Amino acid sequence: EVQLVESGGGLVQPGGSLRLSCAASGFTFSSYWMSWVRQAPGKGLEWVANIKQDGSEKYYVDSVKGRFTISRDNAKNSLYLQMNSLRAEDTAVYYCARDPGIDPWGQGTLVTVSS
Amino acid sequence: DIQMTQSPSAMSASVGDRVTITCRASQGISNYLAWFQQKPGKVPKRLIYASSSLQSGVPSRFSGSGSGTEFTLTISSLQPEDFATYYCLQHNSYPFTFGGGTKVEIK
Repeated sequence: EVQLVESGGGLVQPGGSLRLSCAASGFTFSSYWMSWVRQAPGKGLEWVANIKQDGSEKYYVDSVKGRFTISRDNAKNSLYLQMNSLRAEDTAVYYCARDPGIDPWGQGTLVTVSS
Repeated sequence: DIQMTQSPSAMSASVGDRVTITCRASQGISNYLAWFQQKPGKVPKRLIYASSSLQSGVPSRFSGSGSGTEFTLTISSLQPEDFATYYCLQHNSYPFTFGGGTKVEIK
């Protein structure tokens, strides 16, 4: 069974940093692009970033470029999202998901940016 | 960026109704279009991929169609468990973009 389990969320002050992790199992992680998607409280879905199988290509939504970095460790079957210079508007549940087509999704981890 | 305009944003329907939700892309996306269902407090679930392919395990009352810039999700006979919010997603070009969502409520 394919499983994606996110961790690393929490409360952080504006301007702070947080690193999210996603542990993958049940499929050949190194064979797939992977994405991060977020959902602010009461709002819709927003794709954040994705990364190629070998990490050689990465793409981001404009609102996080220069602040967030997606990475992966295929030996550990893990996906990461390093989030720096966090803003209140980054408050959301963050999901990792397999590409193409964003399926399946993990259960999500909540990031709250507040003083 | 490709804008995905989803309509309606909300609707009321009765059990047994045929429901159609539309997504229009601001430029052509071939068939790189997926549909998701999300219930309150739950993780989104993919229903349709490649515009018209039914995800394994999804009831056949759900169907998708379209190509290029106009796409539809149809629920042939709405069931109580279908009351939820539905989103389309284009993954033809970066950044990937979701529609604004359609909330289907009980009439």
